[in-house]
Amino acid sequence: GEDVEQSLFLSVREGDSSVINCTYTDSSSTYLYWYKQEPGAGLQLLTYIFSNMDMKQDQRLTVLLNKKDKHLSLRIADTQTGDSAIYFCAPDMGRRALTFGSGTRLQVQP
Amino acid sequence: SAVISQKPSRDICQRGTSLTIQCQVDSQVTMMFWYRQQPGQSLTLIATANQGSEATYESGFVIDKFPISRPNLTFSTLTVSNMSPEDSSIYLCSVAHLKVAGENTGELFFGEGSRLTVL
Repeated sequence: GEDVEQSLFLSVREGDSSVINCTYTDSSSTYLYWYKQEPGAGLQLLTYIFSNMDMKQDQRLTVLLNKKDKHLSLRIADTQTGDSAIYFCAPDMGRRALTFGSGTRLQVQP
Repeated sequence: SAVISQKPSRDICQRGTSLTIQCQVDSQVTMMFWYRQQPGQSLTLIATANQGSEATYESGFVIDKFPISRPNLTFSTLTVSNMSPEDSSIYLCSVAHLKVAGENTGELFFGEGSRLTVL
C-alpha cells in the first residue's frame, strides 16, 4: 500500500466536530504535519506534532498520535464553512522532504 | 516563515515544448524541493535542488525530463522538457528554513504553485 494513507472525503455539518485520520508505514518520523489546501491555493501549514507527544491542542485543532499503530488524526472542533478544504497528512519519515498522504477533502454543510 | 514566489503562476503549453519554472525565496534556505501535484492527486516529490551541484531525483523522475538548477540559496528553476498532456500538473516549489538551535520544527513552506496545462 501507499506510505501515507487517508480517507478521501469527509462531510460534516457546520458546528460539528471533524476527525480526519491518517495512517503511515514508517516509524522514523520526528515530526508529523497537517497541511491545508484551499481551492486554487498553495499549501498552508496547519499544525504539527512531535513524535514524543501523544496529543497536541491548538485552539480548535487537536492532533492525536498513536505511534504504536502509526496512526495520526486531526480533530477540528466547531467546524465552520471556512474549514472546507483538502487536508494533507505529512510525516517526515526521517527525511527533510515530506511525504504527503492522498489528502482528505472536507466538505462543511451549512 | 519564508515568502516564496513562483513564475509563471499558470501557463498553457504545446506538446513537445519545454517550460522553465522559477522559484525565488526572500531569505536563504538550506533546502529546496520541487513537488508535482497532478489533478485531484496528492503531492509527489520530484527532486531536491542542491546548491551548486546536481539535483537529487526521486524514483520515477530523471534529469533529462526535469532539469533543475539552484545557483544560490534563494533561487531555483525546474524545467519540464518535451511536454506531453500527462505533464499537466501543478508544480510546487518548497523550502525548509535554516535550522536554528532550539527553533523551527522542520516544516516546509510552499509557493503558490505553477499550474501547467499541456495541449
